[in-house]
Amino acid sequence: KNQVEQSPQSLIILEGKNCTLQCNYTVSPFSNLRWYKQDTGRGPVSLTIMTFSENTKSNGRYTATLDADTKQSSLHITASQLSDSASYICVVSTNAGKSTFGDGTTLTVKP
Amino acid sequence: GAVVSQHPSRVICKSGTSVKIECRSLDFQATTMFWYRQFPKQSLMLMATSNEGSKATYEQGVEKDKFLINHASLTLSTLTVTSAHPEDSSFYICSAKASTGLRYGYTFGSGTRLTVV
Repeated sequence: KNQVEQSPQSLIILEGKNCTLQCNYTVSPFSNLRWYKQDTGRGPVSLTIMTFSENTKSNGRYTATLDADTKQSSLHITASQLSDSASYICVVSTNAGKSTFGDGTTLTVKP
Repeated sequence: GAVVSQHPSRVICKSGTSVKIECRSLDFQATTMFWYRQFPKQSLMLMATSNEGSKATYEQGVEKDKFLINHASLTLSTLTVTSAHPEDSSFYICSAKASTGLRYGYTFGSGTRLTVV
């Protein structure tokens, strides 16, 4: 069964600090892994998209890593800002286009 | 970048009425669109996948007669919640996949908050 597990479920950090969110998956055959940021009451916004051959991708203060061998990904947020408070969702897709969503990590950045 | 426009953003309707939600890809062609439902503090749950010009594929447990999906063109898909009841109150989100390439990936609309009273 294809599964995507994210950890931690929730996280509280102080503004300016860094944090790392984890995503482990068992989706097969793997096509791509995407990280999204979802603000409360809004649709998810794409942060990064990685295929099998990519092991790191950055988007501003967001850096995603992918280890296709261990089936793990991480999203690192540098110098957090209050606006980073949101839910971060990891989505893994198969070659057939079937996507499996993680339950998300709720990040709260406090001043 | 790819933009998906979803309307309305909020709607309140009376129990028993129908509500239509539109999802448009603004600058790319989307052969496939997805409709999700999201309850508070939960992840997105795929309801159905719609392909332009063909019938939608519904996930197990989703009533196709209650959630009507029409994907009449490469840029527009609609979800109609028929005979809505309070338990249908939820956050509905669409996403669209570009016809070719991964560049646009799966782009999400901004969501529709449906409240049935």
